[in-house]
Amino acid sequence: AQTVTQSQPEMSVQEAETVTLSCTYDTSESDYYLFWYKQPPSRQMILVIRQEAYKQQNATENRFSVNFQKAAKSFSLKISDSQLGDAAMYFCAYRSHWGSNYKLTFGKGTLLTVNP
Amino acid sequence: NAGVTQTPKFQVLKTGQSMTLQCAQDMNHEYMSWYRQDPGMGLRLIHYSVGAGITDQGEVPNGYNVSRSTTEDFPLRLLSAAPSQTSVYFCATSREGSYNEQFFGPGTRLTVL
Repeated sequence: AQTVTQSQPEMSVQEAETVTLSCTYDTSESDYYLFWYKQPPSRQMILVIRQEAYKQQNATENRFSVNFQKAAKSFSLKISDSQLGDAAMYFCAYRSHWGSNYKLTFGKGTLLTVNP
Repeated sequence: NAGVTQTPKFQVLKTGQSMTLQCAQDMNHEYMSWYRQDPGMGLRLIHYSVGAGITDQGEVPNGYNVSRSTTEDFPLRLLSAAPSQTSVYFCATSREGSYNEQFFGPGTRLTVL
């Protein structure tokens, strides 16, 4: 079974600065997808960024980018120019390409605080 | 389009009571899932469905039932509520295929006294 580990329960960053959230995962599969979801206080789960394991190029979405290291099974999220609206719980998630691709396996989350 | 809707938003039950959490989607997605979110635990899969008439268990299915008679609806039934079922429940839908984003409903906060 796959597992996802987020080792930082809480992080804080100053507005306009850069912060990196860590995620590691364990799998025996070679094809899979990785996601970062944001959960603000409203509770709504919002997809931030996704990465396909067979792509070496790191995904980027505006101020959000990932550092995907397949051999190390690491998938960190970098937020540049942090804004107050970035304050939220962030979840790293794994999805198989085959077989159990109906489900996401989540980490326990990192609570990000943005200080003005 | 409403996307994924869940009702109710909040619910308080007494131990032993039963209830149904509703989930509906208008995106014609094949996959539907129920997750529960507990503090410090992330989201865990309860039950899922890959199409109308097809359901199966996830990681934490005990105490819950599901059925899927239509593409649009995927209700979650608590048979006899227990305090351990106090949680936030999310319904999620997606098209078949691992790349496809899962869309989440707004969640239901359930408290069992």
